[in-house]
Amino acid sequence: DSGVTQTPKHLITATGQRVTLRCSPRSGDLSVYWYQQSLDQGLQFLIQYYNGEERAKGNILERFSAQQFPDLHSELNLSSLELGDSALYFCASSPDGAPGKLFFGSGTQLSVL
Amino acid sequence: DQQVKQNSPSLSVQEGRISILNCDYTNSMFDYFLWYKKYPAEGPTFLISISSIKDKNEDGRFTVFLNKSAKHLSLHIVPSQPGDSAVYFCAASDYGGSQGNLIFGKGTKLSVKP
Repeated sequence: DSGVTQTPKHLITATGQRVTLRCSPRSGDLSVYWYQQSLDQGLQFLIQYYNGEERAKGNILERFSAQQFPDLHSELNLSSLELGDSALYFCASSPDGAPGKLFFGSGTQLSVL
Repeated sequence: DQQVKQNSPSLSVQEGRISILNCDYTNSMFDYFLWYKKYPAEGPTFLISISSIKDKNEDGRFTVFLNKSAKHLSLHIVPSQPGDSAVYFCAASDYGGSQGNLIFGKGTKLSVKP
């Protein structure tokens, strides 16, 4: 158990809809990251938050947005969903001073039909 | 344009033998490299890392080698055990790893046969 909690585990929705994925980081970790894993791709970095502030942005679509709340949990919002957005979405957190050492949740499997 | 490449989608080895997983990168600015292991229905877990100032790092049965001139790194597992069967991801960073926005390869599925 990594200590990172993601909900829901599975999500099935239709094209054009909007969904919210939720992540609770490990206790004490200020950084939260979101990654997308598609069938033919590795883990693609989407966005990072540190203590409520956006720290780094990767290949995140404009239809996607994220935020980190004062209690440090994070939400990833995906809107106007397309078939190609079907993927496994991972959240990870990391402690300060541990470069690159991320603790991943078990992911949310999103299926857009 | 893939900056981190794992050219072998799968690898099968016998229990007790050595497993060698390879990874190539193109960005010469990468200065920190990591390996993650992933079991089905779980998130990736950190395995071992190496800074660009070193060419080898060892942790128990796992050793990572870095060849900067060839932009190549490899993970050696000796001896391999059935419990090592998983997907292994190579990752790299160009910020000393501090920002955590790692660039991952597509993974190599290792099967260790008893």
